[in-house]
Amino acid sequence: ELKVEQNPLFLSMQEGKNYTIYCNYSTTSDRLYWYRQDPGKSLESLFVLLSNGAVKQEGRLMASLDTKARLSTLHITAAVHDLSATYFCAVRETSGSRLTFGEGTQLTVNP
Amino acid sequence: AAGVIQSPRHLIKEKRETATLKCYPIPRHDTVYWYQQGPGQDPQFLISFYEKMQSDKGSIPDRFSAQQFSDYHSELNMSSLELGDSALYFCASRGGKAPPSTDTQYFGPGTRLTVL
Repeated sequence: ELKVEQNPLFLSMQEGKNYTIYCNYSTTSDRLYWYRQDPGKSLESLFVLLSNGAVKQEGRLMASLDTKARLSTLHITAAVHDLSATYFCAVRETSGSRLTFGEGTQLTVNP
Repeated sequence: AAGVIQSPRHLIKEKRETATLKCYPIPRHDTVYWYQQGPGQDPQFLISFYEKMQSDKGSIPDRFSAQQFSDYHSELNMSSLELGDSALYFCASRGGKAPPSTDTQYFGPGTRLTVL
């Protein structure tokens, strides 16, 4: 059974600081996704990572994938309040297309 | 751009009642997924359909059933509702012909189901 673990689960940081969220998964995968969710809202797709060494950046967020270590990171640069949300990584197994989500990281950026 | 549409957005039911949730995927998307998200939890996969056929089944209770229709919209039918069924129910759609670099499940706004 595929297991996906994120850490930290809660992250409170000051504006302007940098931080990294980690996502580990237990079996081989051909796609890893990062989603953002605001309270009570839908899940917004941020990144899809396909291959080992893949790196994608959008604004202050950068995601990377190490398939050998089964690890993905979401790096936040110079955080701003608008980034406050819950961030989920989700893994798609090679045998199907369902997504298995991590527990989510609730990020709060304080002024 | 068109997004996934779900209806209703909010639903309040009593225990043992039934509920039907509807999902209209993004045009030309051929795969629909249903996920359940409890309070403070991550989304859990329930069931998926590809070209109107069930393609995968997850932790969906036997009291729930779903189908995808000829116009690709999908309905999740829930019977004998329990308090624990209270959750956000998301539908997501995916275009099977999308290139891998953009192969993403796009989520709808969700239906918030409250069982009293």
